[in-house]
Order: sequence, then C-alpha cells, then structure tokens
Amino acid sequence: AQSVTQLDSQVPVFEEAPVELRCNYSSSVSVYLFWYVQYPNQGLQLLLKYLSGSTLVKGINGFEAEFNKSQTSFHLRKPSVHISDTAEYFCAVTKNTGFQKLVFGTGTRLLVSP
Amino acid sequence: DSGVTQTPKHLITATGQRVTLRCSPRSGDLSVYWYQQSLDQGLQFLIQYYNGEERAKGNILERFSAQQFPDLHSELNLSSLELGDSALYFCASSLGLAGGEQYFGPGTRLTVT
Repeated sequence: AQSVTQLDSQVPVFEEAPVELRCNYSSSVSVYLFWYVQYPNQGLQLLLKYLSGSTLVKGINGFEAEFNKSQTSFHLRKPSVHISDTAEYFCAVTKNTGFQKLVFGTGTRLLVSP
Repeated sequence: DSGVTQTPKHLITATGQRVTLRCSPRSGDLSVYWYQQSLDQGLQFLIQYYNGEERAKGNILERFSAQQFPDLHSELNLSSLELGDSALYFCASSLGLAGGEQYFGPGTRLTVT
C-alpha cells in the first residue's frame, strides 16, 4: 500500500518570499506523484504531476516539484509567492500499474501575508 | 474549470434520510471516482467505476452505494445518514482505468443535522 506524509500542517510566508512544501511517500512499487491545490470552498485543482522522465516537473502558477526516489520525496516549491497562493495543498500518490486510487496526504495550509 | 460537474453543490438533510449525489465526468473520460473529505478523516477514496462497472472499493460504508450509467454519469447514494457523514464529497474522472491524473469536480457539501 502507498502512504503520504505532509509534515507541515501550516506554512506561513510573506509575499514574494520563496516557499517549499514537503511531501514524503511510502510505497513498495513504483509510483506516480501529484500535487493538488484547494482554494477555499472549491474543489481540487491539479498543480503538477510526476509520471516518468525528468525528476523536475513544472506546473501551473509558477510551482515546481522534484521527485527524489532515494529520499522518497516530492517537495513542492515556488520562488516567489503571491497572496493568491493562499490555499490548502495536497500531495497524492498512486501506484503506476493496475488500479490507481489516489492516496492523499493530510494537506498543508499555505498562508501568504503582505 | 476541470470539466467535471457535480450536483447539488450543497445538501442539508436529517439523520436517517437518504440522498443522491450526481457527477458528470469530463467528456471522453471513462473512469469515475468518489472521494470523501472530512476534518477527521481527510481525503478518502470511496469507490471507482470504469465504463459502467465497479472496479475498486475503498473505505466505503455499506450504507453507501454508487453506480455509473450508460452515459457515464455517476451517482453516489448515501442512506441511513448519520451526523458523521457530514463531509465534502468529490467526484473525479480520468480517461482510462489506469495511467495518470484525475480531474476533480467542485464537490457536494453534505450537512446532516
């Protein structure tokens, strides 16, 4: 089975500062990895995904993430955040063969202040 | 806009009642997934349908059931509702049975009083 750990429940940051949201996963098989964002009172929007190939993946809104197989991590980064990035961010994992249910982390609330 | 639609957006009902949540997947997607999001359980996978057939079950209660119709829309039926069933219910869809990202609808917020 797969599992995801998001150690930081909340990350406060000032506008225009860089941010990293941490995600570690556990799996005995190869995986696909995703980051989703949930704005208040909205559904989940796919930010970026790692399926295969380059370990550095770029997503929407200036976010990027790096897949590190040896450290079983998939941390999300943005060099300069905006107020509008305030939201809940979920890391998710699924095995890359057969049936794929998404297993989500508990989420990290990013709070961007002026 | 993900292309996945869900109705209703909000639902308030009493304990013991039965409700039906509806989901229309993105055009061309054959798989539909249901997830529950609650404060204490987080985001939990409930069930998946692919082209009309149930393919996998997660943490879905026996009081809950789902189906996918020939036009590929799906319904999640929740019966004998309890206060603890209050949550956000998301539907997601993907092109195939396996192989990549899922696209989420805006969710249905269920409040059981």
